[in-house]
Amino acid sequence: DIQMTQSPSSLSASVGDRVTITCRASQSINSYLNWYQQKSGKAPKLLIYAASSLQSGVPLRFSGNGSGTDFTLTISSLQPEDFATYYCQQSYSTPSTFGQGTKLEIK
Amino acid sequence: QVQLQESGPGLVKPSETLSLTCTVSGGSISSGSYYWSWIRQPAGKGLEWIGRIYSSGTTNYNPSLRSRVTISVDTSKNQFSLKLSSVTAADAAVYYCARAYCGGDCPRGYFDYWGQGTLVTVSS
Repeated sequence: DIQMTQSPSSLSASVGDRVTITCRASQSINSYLNWYQQKSGKAPKLLIYAASSLQSGVPLRFSGNGSGTDFTLTISSLQPEDFATYYCQQSYSTPSTFGQGTKLEIK
Repeated sequence: QVQLQESGPGLVKPSETLSLTCTVSGGSISSGSYYWSWIRQPAGKGLEWIGRIYSSGTTNYNPSLRSRVTISVDTSKNQFSLKLSSVTAADAAVYYCARAYCGGDCPRGYFDYWGQGTLVTVSS
């Protein structure tokens, strides 16, 4: 299985901050990397697919980058509704695997 | 707007079989550019992919669960189902059904629609 490792596991930030979350794959996954946002008690929501494509309806302050083994999710200016847990997911090989999550908290 | 809704018992006894159904509305489960998955999340933990099924009935499972998992599809009802046998406390989780778009690059896709999730507790 391909292991996905996110860093940091948790992060405290303020409204208006620029935040970057990193996801590293244990082997190359080309650009088959997706990002999800999950709020407490809710299903995950797709933010970014294929490493850098913004899902329809997702604010432009979210962006993704990377290929191969190293990927980033950046939120350019944090809004109150962005405080949540973020997961990366690889779909390059079966089984699909997720990172352990990054919990973004209000400072 | 596509919607997915999980249904099934919220309580399963140890060693018995967990059975869940996902009903898809607002779109056809037979569309060729998609597959349908089950994903679970134990309380306070991360997401685990369980398996996928195409409308053709082709399945793939997570090797960690393969011996106990069966996913099936009923295109006439626009539903797909999960059976997990011989459950233990480790199988207690919120279970999500999800649609993945993969276009012409299946199974490499992304989960664009999710059900709200259903909590399954394992206890006698």
